[in-house]
Amino acid sequence: AQSVAQPEDQVNVAEGNPLTVKCTYSVSGNPYLFWYVQYPNRGLQFLLKYITGDNLVKGSYGFEAEFNKSQTSFHLKKPSALVSDSALYFCAVRDDSGGGADGLTFGKGTHLIIQP
Amino acid sequence: DAGVTQSPTHLIKTRGQQVTLRCSPKSGHDTVSWYQQALGQGPQFIFQYYEEEERQRGNFPDRFSGHQFPNYSSELNVNALLLGDSALYLCASSRTGANYGYTFGSGTRLTVV
Repeated sequence: AQSVAQPEDQVNVAEGNPLTVKCTYSVSGNPYLFWYVQYPNRGLQFLLKYITGDNLVKGSYGFEAEFNKSQTSFHLKKPSALVSDSALYFCAVRDDSGGGADGLTFGKGTHLIIQP
Repeated sequence: DAGVTQSPTHLIKTRGQQVTLRCSPKSGHDTVSWYQQALGQGPQFIFQYYEEEERQRGNFPDRFSGHQFPNYSSELNVNALLLGDSALYLCASSRTGANYGYTFGSGTRLTVV
């Protein structure tokens, strides 16, 4: 079975400071990892994904994430936070053994609050 | 290019009733997945449809069923509604063989009273 842990319910960062939202995962095969953002009463917006290749993945809106296989982590980062980054962030995983089926397992989400 | 479209946006049902939610995938996508997002939780995978068949199912009871049509659109049906079925239901579409890109709709907010 696969699982995702987002250990922080909420992260507070001052505008202009770097931010990190943590994610660890567990899968039986090789992981495919994703970050999504959700604004109030909206669906999920894709930020970035790791399938294979470079451990540092760059995505939308200046976000990036670092895949660390030994620590089974995929933390989301941004060098300089904006107030508009305030939202709910979800990490998701699936493994590569689905035979084409690819349902995602999500974490519980982390509220990111950027203070002006 | 239209993304994923879900209807209705909001719905109120009574316990014991049945409900049908609808999803039109993004143009070019052939696979539809459904997720349930309870308040304060992450989305949970219900099932996935490809080529009009259920390809994968999460840990949900048989009260939850679905269908995919030849035009790739999909329906989620829930029978014998419980209060605990109240949630945001999200549809995600993708293209088989593509680089695992999932596009989510804005969801249907179901309230069971």
